[in-house]
Amino acid sequence: DTGVSQNPRHKITKRGQNVTFRCDPISEHNRLYWYRQTLGQGPEFLTYFQNEAQLEKSRLLSDRFSAERPKGSFSTLEIQRTEQGDSAMYLCASSLGGGGGEKLFFGSGTQLSVL
Amino acid sequence: QQQVKQSPQSLIVQKGGISIINCAYENTAFDYFPWYQQFPGKGPALLIAIRPDVSEKKEGRFTISFNKSAKQFSLHIMDSQPGDSATYFCAASMMGSWGKLQFGAGTQVVVTP
Repeated sequence: DTGVSQNPRHKITKRGQNVTFRCDPISEHNRLYWYRQTLGQGPEFLTYFQNEAQLEKSRLLSDRFSAERPKGSFSTLEIQRTEQGDSAMYLCASSLGGGGGEKLFFGSGTQLSVL
Repeated sequence: QQQVKQSPQSLIVQKGGISIINCAYENTAFDYFPWYQQFPGKGPALLIAIRPDVSEKKEGRFTISFNKSAKQFSLHIMDSQPGDSATYFCAASMMGSWGKLQFGAGTQVVVTP
């Protein structure tokens, strides 16, 4: 499977715990995005990387959230001191970038439940 | 504040019928308008996209109609099939940030046999 891979698929945690998600993009893609999706809503942009550089972060991304993409390969999204409001599907997408529009390839997401 | 408003929230169409989903936007800086299809337990997948320099784009049974002056665009699914049952999202983004998409709230489409 050469698509975007996300692990774990599901994560249940208690409020106050830290969690980390991993995303493996399509190998030749230089851009990587994180989105969050709650039930019945469209995905919301969180942050994106071009290679290893984090170029933009949404105002939705509080200080408890941090993302990395070492060496421009896989990426991790960490949430510290989780809150119940963090419960959502966290989606990763990758793309080649380029002009005229940008086709994002999404993974199947990590479903986070904070109890 | 949702920058892209999508309607209807859900629709039921018979096999062979036409599904129509509408979206409206406010930000005139938006320059790229894709539609994504999402099945349960999966991430969204790009279906078709349009830039504002054309008023219509067709790919197979899927057509986007774009009205720049009205700031509206729509997805038409012709000859709807049960396999088209999914949630559809319109989205918009700006030049230079094409991957930073503003999604609509989604339309759940059910195609009955």
